[in-house]
Amino acid sequence: AQKITQTQPGMFVQEKEAVTLDCTYDTSDPSYGLFWYKQPSSGEMIFLIYQGSYDQQNATEGRYSLNFQKARKSANLVISASQLGDSAMYFCAMREGLGGGNKLTFGTGTQLKVEL
Amino acid sequence: DARVTQTPRDKVTEMGQEVTMRCQPILGHNTVFWYRQTMMQGLELLAYFRNRAPLDDSGMPKDRFSAEMPDATLATLKIQPSEPRDSAVYFCASGLYERPNYGYTFGSGTRLTVV
Repeated sequence: AQKITQTQPGMFVQEKEAVTLDCTYDTSDPSYGLFWYKQPSSGEMIFLIYQGSYDQQNATEGRYSLNFQKARKSANLVISASQLGDSAMYFCAMREGLGGGNKLTFGTGTQLKVEL
Repeated sequence: DARVTQTPRDKVTEMGQEVTMRCQPILGHNTVFWYRQTMMQGLELLAYFRNRAPLDDSGMPKDRFSAEMPDATLATLKIQPSEPRDSAVYFCASGLYERPNYGYTFGSGTRLTVV
């Protein structure tokens, strides 16, 4: 079974609009962390935001926020006020267990295109 | 900003040749990962180390791939002999076990083409 599922292969959004990228996960471990990474066309992987399974509040980092719904096992990324530079591939990932050095399992990604 | 440094950036080699990729993790990070990215398989974990000890290399084809950390500032990934199906982007990433809410920092990757 897939541990991380991203069902949107591609998304379009108008500049300055908000967009939500979906991510669902599957784990039986009560301790886990959820991550979002951005991969622009240049290829590097850029860490955006983290949500721990015990965190009471949704994580936010600037224009990025994570809509964490634990019972539904979803961790959607919300980008507010989209910019042309947000066009990229976005990956959701999960780390099982408490340790900060455990491996990440990635989803298949969502290609986001921001249009004028 | 602290960076993970990978060399070479690009590598084209002939089938059957040995390939060595190098990674310098961020100073002080105690966990190092090797990932491979292809269009078909996405991002796959090949191996990872904590405090230089290998923790999991189940993602690697054992007969041709090997990963080592000869010291805390260098991780290597070797393919011998290389095959066209090894063509991919290979990423190294590092992190700190004691900081679970920090994202892992990825290098820029090595784009390997085996012809």
